[in-house]
Amino acid sequence: DAGITQSPRHKVTETGTPVTLRCHQTENHRYMYWYRQDPGHGLRLIHYSYGVKDTDKGEVSDGYSVSRSKTEDFLLTLESATSSQTSVYFCAISESRDRVYEQYFGPGTRLTVT
Amino acid sequence: GENVEQHPSTLSVQEGDSAVIKCTYSDSASNYFPWYKQELGKRPQLIIDIRSNVGEKKDQRIAVTLNKTAKHFSLHITETQPEDSAVYFCAAGYSTLTFGKGTMLLVSP
Repeated sequence: DAGITQSPRHKVTETGTPVTLRCHQTENHRYMYWYRQDPGHGLRLIHYSYGVKDTDKGEVSDGYSVSRSKTEDFLLTLESATSSQTSVYFCAISESRDRVYEQYFGPGTRLTVT
Repeated sequence: GENVEQHPSTLSVQEGDSAVIKCTYSDSASNYFPWYKQELGKRPQLIIDIRSNVGEKKDQRIAVTLNKTAKHFSLHITETQPEDSAVYFCAAGYSTLTFGKGTMLLVSP
């Protein structure tokens, strides 16, 4: 597996509390992504980053914010968690090779909002 | 934006049979079409991919085909084995990917 770690791996939190998930890579890849995975929906892109301080929205960005102050770290924040944000969150990284961006996933974080 | 449809949602085969999973996409700008395998409780793993300038690619028992004109691509697994049982996802895009909803493949001994 690529050098990607996510923390925490599991978290239970209450509705209305802020939550921050961390993705850390040791590959020095330029691109990083946050996805959520829900039954029947596959993987949906939340936000992504194409460099330090460079981020953009994905398909399901409402209620989420991100930050990337270092190449190796990409943070996903739920400002005020809701039950609809209960999901498994995956981080991915990629680098351009021959104009193609192969993505490799981290181990995932299971988040439960009660 | 890109839209990826994947069929079937579930597929049951006997060990040794072939399995085919099909995907369609909408954005003609997509140039990269990877396939991921995800076992229960694990991360998606890239198993094979195809680029827009290639029509077919093989890796042992796995092959992918791409028809850019029709905007569809397929995953073929031959001589299936019980360890092939997993959820398979197709995706399409460029620097970002849009994923299909997945196919649960069950290979019975």
